[in-house]
Amino acid sequence: GEDVEQSLFLSVREGDSSVINCTYTDSSSTYLYWYKQEPGAGLQLLTYIFSNMDMKQDQRLTVLLNKKDKHLSLRIADTQTGDSAIYFCAESIVAGTNSGYALNFGKGTSLLVTP
Amino acid sequence: DVKVTQSSRYLVKRTGEKVFLECVQDMDHENMFWYRQDPGLGLRLIYFSYDVKMKEKGDIPEGYSVSREKKERFSLILESASTNQTSMYLCASRTGLATEAFFGQGTRLTVV
Repeated sequence: GEDVEQSLFLSVREGDSSVINCTYTDSSSTYLYWYKQEPGAGLQLLTYIFSNMDMKQDQRLTVLLNKKDKHLSLRIADTQTGDSAIYFCAESIVAGTNSGYALNFGKGTSLLVTP
Repeated sequence: DVKVTQSSRYLVKRTGEKVFLECVQDMDHENMFWYRQDPGLGLRLIYFSYDVKMKEKGDIPEGYSVSREKKERFSLILESASTNQTSMYLCASRTGLATEAFFGQGTRLTVV
């Protein structure tokens, strides 16, 4: 599929806020997702946002969606060393000859949190 | 607790071998997926299936095939393994369009 774009690296100090940005491709995506991958592990869903929302807050996480620009961001408040991981943005897309639905992922942003 | 289980965490195979990667989910999900993950390339979709005996090609199906004989099991097959198929393979399942995908722990395959 087409590329979902993310910056590859982000480094922040413990206690600061982190903002990870993503540009997605399919304006008809109903849901947009943020996944987290810790070293040696599979992906875990962090949060998601429905396309008719422009903001979702969940404890330290804030997701902002700009549908016009197809831009999604994830803000982590009070970032901790345990937040160090790879963060993937994903969109739900129509794929295959029979119009099945798959998730199209960005390349992932490696977040490094330093003490 | 929902679970997607991949049969091996680590595999080492020789060039030319036929390799089977197995994935089982216990959530009665219709949709199952195989991705490969490579540094700097993110997750790329190999194949997916939205029903038993149904399969769809993803972005990089060349060199791979799949089998879904039962709803809970989705197998990825490397007919003749090559060194450029050395990668982390991730299986996922989900129930529908608007739901999260659950991932297995991944299989790190090395082809020598």
